Amino acid sequence: GAVVSQHPSRVICKSGTSVKIECRSLDFQATTMFWYRQFPKQSLMLMATSNEGSKATYEQGVEKDKFLINHASLTLSTLTVTSAHPEDSSFYICSAREAGPNSPLHFGNGTRLTVT
Amino acid sequence: AQTVTQSQPEMSVQEAETVTLSCTYDTSESDYYLFWYKQPPSRQMILVIRQEAYKQQNATENRFSVNFQKAAKSFSLKISDSQLGDAAMYFCAYRGQNTGTASKLTFGTGTRLQVTL
Repeated sequence: GAVVSQHPSRVICKSGTSVKIECRSLDFQATTMFWYRQFPKQSLMLMATSNEGSKATYEQGVEKDKFLINHASLTLSTLTVTSAHPEDSSFYICSAREAGPNSPLHFGNGTRLTVT
Repeated sequence: AQTVTQSQPEMSVQEAETVTLSCTYDTSESDYYLFWYKQPPSRQMILVIRQEAYKQQNATENRFSVNFQKAAKSFSLKISDSQLGDAAMYFCAYRGQNTGTASKLTFGTGTRLQVTL
């Protein structure tokens, strides 16, 4: 079946630094990828929709200058958390959808970000 | 905007028994998809079952089945013959068909299922 690879699975960074998370569709092309954030014991909240070759669409309340999304190819989207702060510590999950109106979403394994 | 509500933060079931997880949603769309996802401690999101709103027949996948009541906007998940491996967080999710809602998944707050011996 379709696989979405997310890297790294865990990352610890210091306040003020930036960290990049990659999301790759391994065996299919994904024109659209999604980035979710999940706080402990809470649901997944959609942060933004990543569109290949165009600007990402951010959900209300998500700072686009802080969470930079780049979808440079049909198999790769990256999320960069800029000038990270401890409150950015969270679990970030990407998902990708195959072409077609009824195609399912495939999720990556997530990235646990800890900002110290 | 679409909303998904799961009113049971935690549920418990004995091994081999049956449990039903509740989900209600709110939408003005007529065509949409509904999903149940499982998130075990590994945090991997696993699709359990999906239902197309235009289909009247309830979806089933082995031990998992749904009770889809479109008029009531209810979408419950029934797990039969529960197994220890079913213990996880379960999320109900909605996906619309219209531009702007297509592809976006809106998740409920989740139900943590415990399976006891």
